[in-house]
Amino acid sequence: RKEVEQDPGPFNVPEGATVAFNCTYSNSASQSFFWYRQDCRKEPKLLMSVYSSGNEDGRFTAQLNRASQYISLLIRDSKLSDSATYLCVVDNTDKLIFGTGTRLQVFP
Amino acid sequence: SAVISQKPSRDICQRGTSLTIQCQVDSQVTMMFWYRQQPGQSLTLIATANQGSEATYESGFVIDKFPISRPNLTFSTLTVSNMSPEDSSIYLCSVEEWSESSTDTQYFGPGTRLTVL
Repeated sequence: RKEVEQDPGPFNVPEGATVAFNCTYSNSASQSFFWYRQDCRKEPKLLMSVYSSGNEDGRFTAQLNRASQYISLLIRDSKLSDSATYLCVVDNTDKLIFGTGTRLQVFP
Repeated sequence: SAVISQKPSRDICQRGTSLTIQCQVDSQVTMMFWYRQQPGQSLTLIATANQGSEATYESGFVIDKFPISRPNLTFSTLTVSNMSPEDSSIYLCSVEEWSESSTDTQYFGPGTRLTVL
């Protein structure tokens, strides 16, 4: 089993749609969790950290379920500029483990 | 966040040669890392670049193939030695920033796109 698993997609959604990405991780001792965004041929950029209580940043909401070892990212009112690959990242105390990413394509 | 630059941004190299990639940060950072992202795949940690001592390599990566230097807290190099086409990849430098109020976070340089013929 992979340490971090994501649905690779692609998710093709119209502008204005709500889309959710899921991620599971295998190490129950993992401490920190993140979502990164990676545009084509660019470096990953931090989108948001994920906290146990859940957190929201504008149109983006991240949730963590430690019992199920599950992380989610919800994007509301999708924009064309949201098209990218979203990487689920887990910090296993000494290093980051990256998921393979979920590709999102928002169309007009 | 720290501003990270890498040189070169891309290169095409012949097999058997070596390439050294430079990573420069605009502020002093304790933790610097080197990652590889092969086509269509996610990031894999190569090693942690330690200032003043040998780098710490992950399983599957060795110093002879990927020698790393870290002469100070703002600079590091990664050399890809005796290259083969399987080394074609994007190589990314990252730094970790510590925050009292939030989780330690890693930020990435723009990457070096390497193609080995």
